[in-house]
Amino acid sequence: DTGVSQDPRHKITKRGQNVTFRCDPISEHNRLYWYRQTLGQGPEFLTYFQNEAQLEKSRLLSDRFSAERPKGSFSTLEIQRTEQGDSAMYLCASGVQVSGNTIYFGEGSWLTVV
Amino acid sequence: DAKTTQPPSMDCAEGRAANLPCNHSTISGNEYVYWYRQIHSQGPQYIIHGLKNNETNEMASLIITEDRKSSTLILPHATLRDTAVYYCIVRIQGGSEKLVFGKGTKLTVNP
Repeated sequence: DTGVSQDPRHKITKRGQNVTFRCDPISEHNRLYWYRQTLGQGPEFLTYFQNEAQLEKSRLLSDRFSAERPKGSFSTLEIQRTEQGDSAMYLCASGVQVSGNTIYFGEGSWLTVV
Repeated sequence: DAKTTQPPSMDCAEGRAANLPCNHSTISGNEYVYWYRQIHSQGPQYIIHGLKNNETNEMASLIITEDRKSSTLILPHATLRDTAVYYCIVRIQGGSEKLVFGKGTKLTVNP
């Protein structure tokens, strides 16, 4: 257990539905990252928060995806109008803003769109 | 894109040392080398990282060549539970300092 918790761990949803994932980072960590991982591939960066500010977004983050970190603590990742191609594991990670620091990952949230 | 090259797969006998190589010939002077592993269906687990000196912790040792263009992760006594995908990552400095993953090396530890 790294201290980064994600919820839910598994979600099955019908195409077109909206889903939301939550991440609770390690408490003193001001950096928070979201990644997506599909079968057989390494994790792909989606977005980055420093405190409550979303400072970087990947082009993978389409308009149907939105992430928030309202108080600089927990974060949510929402996917609207899900598509089958959104089926993946969504990973959250956190770290502190010190050069050479370590980023710790949660166990991920598996999404299956049927 | 990932700045590292790793073999796609390796095998190791249980109890023996596992030596996982990584090439990062374009690494910059202030960029760290990180190693993570991912056991099936779990999130990536941090193993070790280094800048220029060799590093050791309770999980592994990291040997970085003097020119910093390659490194080797050493698991001194591999167990079946070390079977995983191992990622070598050169961490971008500045900005988000996000980790950019490649495909990694699938290490299989055999009994």
